Amino acid sequence: AQTVTQSQPEMSVQEAETVTLSCTYDTSENNYYLFWYKQPPSRQMILVIRQEAYKQQNATENRFSVNFQKAAKSFSLKISDSQLGDTAMYFCDPGSNYKLTFGKGTLLTVNP
Amino acid sequence: EAGVAQSPRYKIIEKRQSVAFWCNPISGHATLYWYQQILGQGPKLLIQFQNNGVVDDSQLPKDRFSAERLKGVDSTLKIQPAKLEDSAVYLCASSLGASGGQQETQYFGPGTRLLVL
Repeated sequence: AQTVTQSQPEMSVQEAETVTLSCTYDTSENNYYLFWYKQPPSRQMILVIRQEAYKQQNATENRFSVNFQKAAKSFSLKISDSQLGDTAMYFCDPGSNYKLTFGKGTLLTVNP
Repeated sequence: EAGVAQSPRYKIIEKRQSVAFWCNPISGHATLYWYQQILGQGPKLLIQFQNNGVVDDSQLPKDRFSAERLKGVDSTLKIQPAKLEDSAVYLCASSLGASGGQQETQYFGPGTRLLVL
């Protein structure tokens, strides 16, 4: 079984600044993956970044990077140079055996 | 590459009526998921198919919800009869479904927004 906690229901950031979304999880699996998904208002869920738990190196995708602390079961998302289009609900999802576990998400608003 | 397709995009029905949603996954994706997302919450998995077999339907309210994926490609989700609390967005997702790696990544469709009056 897997659980996920996103302790920040809502966050806001000014355009061009950096913001970090936190996530902690619990899992009994040995092999698993971690995902951040983004759901813009009235638009579909898309993958932001993924991390294989067996890799120590933190994943990076352009302006998005993660800080993966396996022992602490922490998986935070850093967004650099925030853009208005980053406004969305963000979900941290541990996944294994082709299943995702969704938490309640963090609503991020980027202000001009 | 075409994404996950869903129809209809919106549906309004009265309680006790029936409704069906359709999903066509990304070509070649063996695993298909249906999620229910109530306003303000994260998606909840209703059912997971691997090809045309059910892998997990533990959270599917089987007295009123049914789903099928007869040929292992597209899928339909049906609600009969609908209740007010079924108002939600129904998301379909697919993944390659092979052993680990990139195959674990799920790709989502635009969803069907259902309103039950």
